[in-house]
Amino acid sequence: KQEVTQIPAALSVPEGENLVLNCSFTDSAIYNLQWFRQDPGKGLTSLLLIQSSQREQTSGRLNASLDKSSGRSTLYIAASQPGDSATYLCAVGTNAGGTSYGKLTFGQGTILTVHP
Amino acid sequence: DGGITQSPKYLFRKEGQNVTLSCEQNLNHDAMYWYRQDPGQGLRLIYYSQIVNDFQKGDIAEGYSVSREKKESFPLTVTSAQKNPTAFYLCASSPEGNQPQHFGDGTRLSIL
Repeated sequence: KQEVTQIPAALSVPEGENLVLNCSFTDSAIYNLQWFRQDPGKGLTSLLLIQSSQREQTSGRLNASLDKSSGRSTLYIAASQPGDSATYLCAVGTNAGGTSYGKLTFGQGTILTVHP
Repeated sequence: DGGITQSPKYLFRKEGQNVTLSCEQNLNHDAMYWYRQDPGQGLRLIYYSQIVNDFQKGDIAEGYSVSREKKESFPLTVTSAQKNPTAFYLCASSPEGNQPQHFGDGTRLSIL
């Protein structure tokens, strides 16, 4: 059974710092890996999707890497801003019963606070 | 605008009562999903559906039921058999294949 772990559970940094969030998973047979942002009381916003054949994806100040063999992914946030404060969730996509659809297994999230 | 609409935003359940959470999408996605989120935890999959009139149990299906009579709708019923229903419920959808899932804004269910 796939298990996903995120470290650290919480992180507080001053504005302008570069930071790294970590995600590890136990089964390397994955479709993809997705990073989400969740604001308090809200749904999830997809940030980056890395296919299993890719090593990294970039969007603006965000960069996500994937190392399937070691079961790890990192989300790098450059020049952090107070508006980046949220919970960041990592989710691993695996095959849903031999179909072409994926199932997501989530980590417990990292709560990020960026203070001015 | 295309998206996923969940209603109601807040819902209260009495002991022994069944309640139904609504999820509608106009993204023309084939697959739809229901997740439960408890405080300080990630999301856990309750049920998912890949096509109309078909659905599969996820990791925590006990005490829940679903239907998929239309492509755009995937309601979730929390039955009286679910002894700990207080949680934040999230609905998602995705196209066929290796594509991102899109989420609604969630329904928060509490016990009276």
